[in-house]
Amino acid sequence: DGGITQSPKYLFRKEGQNVTLSCEQNLNHDAMYWYRQDPGQGLRLIYYSQIVNDFQKGDIAEGYSVSREKKESFPLTVTSAQKNPTAFYLCASSIDRQGGNYGYTFGSGTRLTVV
Amino acid sequence: QKEVEQNSGPLSVPEGAIASLNCTYSDRGSQSFFWYRQYSGKSPELIMSIYSNGDKEDGRFTAQLNKASQYVSLLIRDSQPSDSATYLCAVNGPSNTGKLIFGQGTTLQVKP
Repeated sequence: DGGITQSPKYLFRKEGQNVTLSCEQNLNHDAMYWYRQDPGQGLRLIYYSQIVNDFQKGDIAEGYSVSREKKESFPLTVTSAQKNPTAFYLCASSIDRQGGNYGYTFGSGTRLTVV
Repeated sequence: QKEVEQNSGPLSVPEGAIASLNCTYSDRGSQSFFWYRQYSGKSPELIMSIYSNGDKEDGRFTAQLNKASQYVSLLIRDSQPSDSATYLCAVNGPSNTGKLIFGQGTTLQVKP
């Protein structure tokens, strides 16, 4: 079955540590996205990529980094510069680069907690 | 003004009633509109999309779009306790960016 796989489901980060969240899709979608969701709040866009080897900053990119070396993969690194990283992280993909035409398919999410 | 606005709720309806969820958006150029359902602790799931003015029905769900008023709504008929979730409205962002802009969501509680 096609879909988006995020791993791990739960991740604990120590102060000053970088961590990487994995996102893999086998839907052959062009565009991929990373969102952050805080309790009781909507989704905020961190980074997005419409094509391999290219990506753009979203609304809250500071303290995060991404790469898009393969169409199927869009990992997100939460760096030590991100001062408040505890949140629910969602990866999504869209069949078209415009994204807005068909909506997104979401992965199951990674819950990151700072300890 | 937020780009996509929803009343955060909670909206409480009795089982079997019609639940009405509303969303307004600011960009008159928006062409695509989506409703996502998100259960607590889970990721959003696409339940409806609408692109032209009027109503679109799918089972117990009806999406309504009024571009002149910049308003999109979701009606859930015969509400069930399993419909209790947060409903996110999403609107396509500026062209060529592929971004969806999400509202903060409305929490729906269906009481047995």
